[in-house]
Amino acid sequence: SQQGEEDPQALSIQEGENATMNCSYKTSINNLQWYRQNSGRGLVHLILIRSNEREKHSGRLRVTLDTSKKSSSLLITASRAADTASYFCATDVRDSSYKLIFGSGTRLLVRP
Amino acid sequence: GAGVSQSPSNKVTEKGKDVELRCDPISGHTALYWYRQSLGQGLEFLIYFQGNSAPDKSGLPSDRFSAERTGGSVSTLTIQRTQQEDSAVYLCASSLDAQGAGREQFFGPGTRLTVL
Repeated sequence: SQQGEEDPQALSIQEGENATMNCSYKTSINNLQWYRQNSGRGLVHLILIRSNEREKHSGRLRVTLDTSKKSSSLLITASRAADTASYFCATDVRDSSYKLIFGSGTRLLVRP
Repeated sequence: GAGVSQSPSNKVTEKGKDVELRCDPISGHTALYWYRQSLGQGLEFLIYFQGNSAPDKSGLPSDRFSAERTGGSVSTLTIQRTQQEDSAVYLCASSLDAQGAGREQFFGPGTRLTVL
């Protein structure tokens, strides 16, 4: 069964606006990662946040993690048309750290 | 190599035929993973290799699915007697080592399998 659930399932915004995607998970984790997928093919790793971290930044990306609520958010600031993609959160479960459990993803459309 | 490669990129087959999907991980990566992604869905874990051993095959959907890895490098995922529900994108990933938390997995471009 899927560990993570993401919302919204789809998001459409104007270029320049910020995009926020949320992920919830069920079990204790070591880390949570966010991936981007273009055109239903290979995934690109965006950012990893460890369970003892609360916030992390990478360029225009900001990720937060709330382990008490078992949730994470990904914020993309000043969005660009090239950010159009599907975004997935993935967790590695504490007792089987090799296995990534993916959420169902958020499809982001950035309109030029 | 520069990244994880998979072949073929697309495979169309008839129901009941066997297919083999290949993954070449990044050189030096000891851990290799297979995932499956159905249309519009997230990724579903299938199997994980550490070296040539597969400690966890729990994600394989049925006994028609098998995988092997030789020489600690190339892996082959075999689906026997394919069914239409096997249609999906099959993604391979590798990481330097699966031990320890937070090992980033690098993904290949996937093989899109269509079973007619």
